[in-house]
Amino acid sequence: SQTIHQWPATLVQPVGSPLSLECTVEGTSNPNLYWYRQAAGRGLQLLFYSVGIGQISSEVPQNLSASRPQDRQFILSSKKLLLSDSGFYLCAWSTGNNAGNEQFFGPGTRLTVL
Amino acid sequence: GQQLNQSPQSMFIQEGEDVSMNCTSSSIFNTWLWYKQDPGEGPVLLIALYKAGELTSNGRLTAQFGITRKDSFLNISASIPSDVGIYFCAGPGGSEKLVFGKGTKLTVNP
Repeated sequence: SQTIHQWPATLVQPVGSPLSLECTVEGTSNPNLYWYRQAAGRGLQLLFYSVGIGQISSEVPQNLSASRPQDRQFILSSKKLLLSDSGFYLCAWSTGNNAGNEQFFGPGTRLTVL
Repeated sequence: GQQLNQSPQSMFIQEGEDVSMNCTSSSIFNTWLWYKQDPGEGPVLLIALYKAGELTSNGRLTAQFGITRKDSFLNISASIPSDVGIYFCAGPGGSEKLVFGKGTKLTVNP
């Protein structure tokens, strides 16, 4: 069966510091991978998605970047964090060939920028 | 672009009551998905609907794919405290993406 991991689970960082969040998927190959941010416990904002190694699509111009160095690894980064980067970051995967684009989410990373 | 309107935004109910929420789209969908997010966790897929008019159950949850293909409904019967969370509807957003509703936050009073 497939599983998705995210780490760290929580992170407190000062403004201006770098960021690296990691997401890995097990039990599937060539998944589509997604990064979302959720502010104030409500809506899901798609930040980046990837349909293959080295392929990154950015949805919202911002202070963050994403990379996919391996088939089942997706990394969210920032060189200098802003206060507005605080939020709950969710990674998700899909098979890319299913009928409804069902996505399956990881447990999330709670980021607080002080 | 595609938009989903999900209502109500929040619900406060007593344990044992039934719950109903819905989602409407500005365009036709060929799939409707319903997720639940427990506090502090990632959303979990509850029900997937693939056919207009389809009615699918998962325990006390029942979801329907509207015949116009522009709406979907989720019902929860005999609510219990662990039903608390945020419920999201979602549909295909093009290019391997999903578009999500803004969520219905459910609070169940014991």
